[in-house]
Amino acid sequence: DAGITQSPRHKVTETGTPVTLRCHQTENHRYMYWYRQDPGHGLRLIHYSYGVKDTDKGEVSDGYSVSRSKTEDFLLTLESATSSQTSVYFCAISEWSSVSTDTQYFGPGTRLTVL
Amino acid sequence: AQSVTQPDIHITVSEGASLELRCNYSYGATPYLFWYVQSPGQGLQLLLKYFSGDTLVQGIKGFEAEFKRSQSSFNLRKPSVHWSDAAEYFCAVGAGGYQKVTFGIGTKLQVIP
Repeated sequence: DAGITQSPRHKVTETGTPVTLRCHQTENHRYMYWYRQDPGHGLRLIHYSYGVKDTDKGEVSDGYSVSRSKTEDFLLTLESATSSQTSVYFCAISEWSSVSTDTQYFGPGTRLTVL
Repeated sequence: AQSVTQPDIHITVSEGASLELRCNYSYGATPYLFWYVQSPGQGLQLLLKYFSGDTLVQGIKGFEAEFKRSQSSFNLRKPSVHWSDAAEYFCAVGAGGYQKVTFGIGTKLQVIP
């Protein structure tokens, strides 16, 4: 299994509070991703990073920000949590070479509940 | 834009029976295709992937998938299902490189004795 950890694994918070989720990898992969998983929607990309301090938006980025100051860490921040952000959040990593596709490997997930 | 359709949200099969999970994709060029499995409370695990070559791809846990360009399909199969295969299965399509991968909504598999 790819060396990916997420913290916390579970969190309950209140509407309006800031929340930061952490993804840590030991694979030295260049690319990192944050997804949210909701019933009936599968996985939707929030943000991704293609290098240290290089990030871009995914399809559901509103209300989220990210930062990547080191190769191994990718942080997802909800500046002011809302109930619609209750979800399971997954981090993924990938590496790309000229002979292989960008297979993504997933962390165990963080279950976030916003009351 | 790329997209994935998994037409079956829930499937129930008997243990020992064969399994086929359907996946149809939309993408303008040759796609990169994936099947992932997710057990309850777990992350996603890669079962198999296709990006070129033989259109019949073998994966882990006895699964295989066949890429059919003419039908824009990448169906997952297993000849004999085990109770431990009960999980949710996701098909995904990507453009290669580090571009984003688009996931289907998943098919939940129930295995009955």
